[in-house]
Amino acid sequence: DAGVIQSPRHEVTEMGQEVTLRCKPISGHNSLFWYRQTMMRGLELLIYFNNNVPIDDSGMPEDRFSAKMPNASFSTLKIQPSEPRDSAVYFCASSLQVRGNEQFFGPGTRLTVL
Amino acid sequence: DAKTTQPNSMESNEEEPVHLPCNHSTISGTDYIHWYRQLPSQGPEYVIHGLTSNVNNRMASLAIAEDRKSSTLILHRATLRDAAVYYCILRGHGSGNTGKLIFGQGTTLQVKP
Repeated sequence: DAGVIQSPRHEVTEMGQEVTLRCKPISGHNSLFWYRQTMMRGLELLIYFNNNVPIDDSGMPEDRFSAKMPNASFSTLKIQPSEPRDSAVYFCASSLQVRGNEQFFGPGTRLTVL
Repeated sequence: DAKTTQPNSMESNEEEPVHLPCNHSTISGTDYIHWYRQLPSQGPEYVIHGLTSNVNNRMASLAIAEDRKSSTLILHRATLRDAAVYYCILRGHGSGNTGKLIFGQGTTLQVKP
C-alpha cells in the first residue's frame, strides 16, 4: 500500500504564477481532504470531497483557490494567481468513509511563493 | 465544533510513560475523542480514538474521564521517535456529521534521551 501520494513535494514559484498541487488517495477510499499548515494558523481544512463531490469548501480562503476531483483516484488544488501569503505546507488526506474512520495523510507539498 | 484545550508543550524522558492531557468540557454526546500526532516534517497520523470507555492499541492508550470532559493519551514507554505534536480532536460520528477534523495547536512533546 503506497499511502496517499502528493506531488510535487516542493514547489517554488513567483507571485502571480499558477500553482497546481496533486493528490492520489489510497485506493478504495471515498473521501478526500485538503489541508493547509502554516506557523501562524496551524492546520486548516480547506475542502473535502465525498465520492468525488465537493461537500464543504468553506475553508477555501478565496476565489484564487479551486479544487477538483475528476475521479476517485486523483484530485488537484489550484492557486491562480499565487501570492506570497499562500506559502505553506499543503496536505492531502483520504479516508474510507466521511464519518468515523481515520484519515490517512500524505507527506505534503511545501509551497513557497516569492 | 466543540473545543479542546491542551498544554502547549511537555517533556519526557526516554523509556518513561507519558500522559498527555486534553480538556473538552463542551463535548456532546455524539462526539468521539480522536488523537493524531505529527512527527517533524511529516503529515499527521492517526493514533487512537474512543467514546466513553478506555481504549488500547499498539501505539497508545486513551483514558477517558467518567464525565467525558477530559481525556489522557498515554504512551507507555516514550521513545525518541515519539517526539511530535499531539492533537486531541473531537469528532462527531452521528448522522449528518461531516467527519471534518478541526486541529488545534496541540501539545509538542519532547523526549529526552
